[in-house]
Amino acid sequence: SQKIEQNSEALNIQEGKTATLTCNYTNYSPAYLQWYRQDPGRGPVFLLLIRENEKEKRKERLKVTFDTTLKQSLFHITASQPADSATYLCALDPLSGGYNKLIFGAGTRLAVHP
Amino acid sequence: DAGITQSPRHKVTETGTPVTLRCHQTENHRYMYWYRQDPGHGLRLIHYSYGVKDTDKGEVSDGYSVSRSKTEDFLLTLESATSSQTSVYFCAISESARGANEKLFFGSGTQLSVL
Repeated sequence: SQKIEQNSEALNIQEGKTATLTCNYTNYSPAYLQWYRQDPGRGPVFLLLIRENEKEKRKERLKVTFDTTLKQSLFHITASQPADSATYLCALDPLSGGYNKLIFGAGTRLAVHP
Repeated sequence: DAGITQSPRHKVTETGTPVTLRCHQTENHRYMYWYRQDPGHGLRLIHYSYGVKDTDKGEVSDGYSVSRSKTEDFLLTLESATSSQTSVYFCAISESARGANEKLFFGSGTQLSVL
């Protein structure tokens, strides 16, 4: 079956450290993968998109990698801050049809402690 | 939230009653989507629209219908609400379905409780 998996356990790290979140998928061959941030009681907010032909993408303190052989994306936040505490969702495009039908993982909650 | 308004923000209803959730956008984006979010599950697509009066089913469409009579409004209707439809509902929009602008912008959500 097709699955997209993120670590369901919360990730707790100290301020200033690098947070690394994992997104694994099976039985998909996505053209791209996206990462979103979601705060409690709010809708997800788009952060980064990485295409299958890109190994790495950066935006300020964020870095995303995409390994189509391992079927995995890693999301890094360097020099983490308490304000980075949120749930992070990965989403991929299964290329089923002509319309955007992103498949979302359940998310990983990140807690950055001072 | 990128010019997206969902109403109501919270609703409590009884099993068997009809419920309509509204999504209004001011971005003039062509594509609109309804997702539901439940603990332990990712966001799951209910229905989407690729233009006025053009809609299609998503992954979990049973028990839901939608309508889009204007570019800016996308309505989600539960014809006869059931307890399994208790969830947080998110509306999303996108400028395109493929290419550089396929990222989604989400509303703030509607918390629906069916008793």
